[in-house]
Amino acid sequence: GAVVSQHPSWVICKSGTSVKIECRSLDFQATTMFWYRQFPKQSLMLMATSNEGSKATYEQGVEKDKFLINHASLTLSTLTVTSAHPEDSSFYICSASLAGRWNTEAFFGQGTRLTVV
Amino acid sequence: AQSVTQLGSHVSVSEGALVLLRCNYSSSVPPYLFWYVQYPNQGLQLLLKYTSAATLVKGINGFEAEFKKSETSFHLTKPSAHMSDAAEYFCAVIRSGGYNKLIFGAGTRLAVHP
Repeated sequence: GAVVSQHPSWVICKSGTSVKIECRSLDFQATTMFWYRQFPKQSLMLMATSNEGSKATYEQGVEKDKFLINHASLTLSTLTVTSAHPEDSSFYICSASLAGRWNTEAFFGQGTRLTVV
Repeated sequence: AQSVTQLGSHVSVSEGALVLLRCNYSSSVPPYLFWYVQYPNQGLQLLLKYTSAATLVKGINGFEAEFKKSETSFHLTKPSAHMSDAAEYFCAVIRSGGYNKLIFGAGTRLAVHP
């Protein structure tokens, strides 16, 4: 199956700093990638849709200036948490689907646990 | 709008017993449904998917699910639980509008006891 790699798998940062998380599709092209956030013992909440070569689409209630998304190529999307605060601590997961294929399964990265201290 | 509801946030079974994880969906259009499994501190792995073909879907690790339109259900089953099945399970539906956006249920944590 298709492989999505997410890096780093965990990160600890100081409050006020920025953190970048990478999501790569290793063996396929992904026109669209998705970023989810998962709080402890809760489900995944879609944050934004990352579109290659264009602006990301954010879900209602997600601060676009806080969570910067860049999708510069068909295999890489990045999520930057800017001026991180303890409440941004969470598990962030990206997913991608095969380019040009709809209503198919998404392939997930292994997730990044962000802890802001 | 599409949605899924997972009944039971925690399910506990004995090793070798039947596993039944419940998922009901709401959709105004024929749904595309998925079951994913998540192990601690990991991403999600696809178990199986329903895409309007056969109503009984077989997945990996011995899991299967049956799409029942009359009951708007897509329950996940496995005849005999194994200790390695202990994990969090999510039912999901693709949100209308394409782009493969997933809406997840709240999740069910499966515990398997010896």
